[in-house]
Amino acid sequence: RKEVEQDPGPFNVPEGATVAFNCTYSNSASQSFFWYRQDCRKEPKLLMSVYSSGNEDGRFTAQLNRASQYISLLIRDSKLSDSATYLCVGMNTGFQKLVFGTGTRLLVSP
Amino acid sequence: DTGVSQNPRHKITKRGQNVTFRCDPISEHNRLYWYRQTLGQGPEFLTYFQNEAQLEKSRLLSDRFSAERPKGSFSTLEIQRTEQGDSAMYLCASSLEGLIRSEKLFFGSGTQLSVL
Repeated sequence: RKEVEQDPGPFNVPEGATVAFNCTYSNSASQSFFWYRQDCRKEPKLLMSVYSSGNEDGRFTAQLNRASQYISLLIRDSKLSDSATYLCVGMNTGFQKLVFGTGTRLLVSP
Repeated sequence: DTGVSQNPRHKITKRGQNVTFRCDPISEHNRLYWYRQTLGQGPEFLTYFQNEAQLEKSRLLSDRFSAERPKGSFSTLEIQRTEQGDSAMYLCASSLEGLIRSEKLFFGSGTQLSVL
């Protein structure tokens, strides 16, 4: 079983829609989580960190549920420019490296 | 350009040949990571350095792979006797201090390897 698992999608949504991604993690000792965004043929870039208390950045909201070991990302009012792959990322114990999920592909259409 | 730089961007080689990739991290970053990414997958950890010391190697890194960071600045990743299964994007990333202090990894644009 992979340490971080995501639905690969693709999620096809119209502009303006709200879309949510979940990912699950198997290592209960993982301390920190993040969402990275990766555009086609580009490098991953940090989108936002994920906290148990929730973290909101404009149209993006991230949430961590430690009891159920899942992480969510909510995108409101989707834009065409949100089309990308969203990578769920955990930090291993010891804070030495990031462990990436397979990514969820989002396609926002006009 | 003060970001992470990787060379070459693309490499096509024949099976059995050796290849070497170079990564220049952001200058003040002392952590340097190598990841590998295949189509439809997320980046997979290969190895990382704290300055010139290689602190961890993934089991994915067979004995055909070797990475160095001799002066604690740039790093090289060499693959000997390449196999078709080595075809992937090789990503380098750097961070300031350890991840406990800096959550953000800065990635380079990657080297796309194709083994024919």
